[in-house]
Amino acid sequence: DAKTTQPPSMDCAEGRAANLPCNHSTISGNEYVYWYRQIHSQGPQYIIHGLKNNETNEMASLIITEDRKSSTLILPHATLRDTAVYYCIDFRLPGGGTSYGKLTFGQGTILTVHP
Amino acid sequence: GAGVSQSPRYKVTKRGQDVALRCDPISGHVSLYWYRQALGQGPEFLTYFNYEAQQDKSGLPNDRFSAERPEGSISTLTIQRTEQRDSAMYRCASSPLDRGTTFFGQGTRLTVV
Repeated sequence: DAKTTQPPSMDCAEGRAANLPCNHSTISGNEYVYWYRQIHSQGPQYIIHGLKNNETNEMASLIITEDRKSSTLILPHATLRDTAVYYCIDFRLPGGGTSYGKLTFGQGTILTVHP
Repeated sequence: GAGVSQSPRYKVTKRGQDVALRCDPISGHVSLYWYRQALGQGPEFLTYFNYEAQQDKSGLPNDRFSAERPEGSISTLTIQRTEQRDSAMYRCASSPLDRGTTFFGQGTRLTVV
């Protein structure tokens, strides 16, 4: 079962920032925060990940709270092509006990970007 | 190859038949994963390999499902005696060793009639 919780859906106007929240209530010290998205029927696409510092790449920014219990994915200038299901995942690297290596997807947030 | 390649893209089979789904991961990727995705749901983990070793098969639903990766590259997911409830999108993914930066293929849409 997924360990993270996300709102089921969000809307955003094209050109505006989309801020997608995620709660990581049971995240442990050896787990990273990963974000993926899935556009229509395509395979999931990696977006960004972090441990405890804020991260930025060409796709998005990731804000992780100091206690690591929540994170926010920011798409700074959303476009229509960003309409997708967005998943946040707690990912355990090897050495962290059992159940490492695999991604556990929840229901995700359906982001709809409007013209 | 440039990405994770799966074949066939679509498979329709009769109930009771065996099917084999193939995955060709990104060249050099050590870890290979199989997921199953029902309509409207997130992908569900089935099994994964590092090189040719099956690290975790806890997600395989029952003993009709099996997977192999004999030479540490191409993998085959086999479903024996298919049932209608096996109908789903089956997705393969690969990554560098045990990393969360995983690349997914386009999937195989399996329909059991």
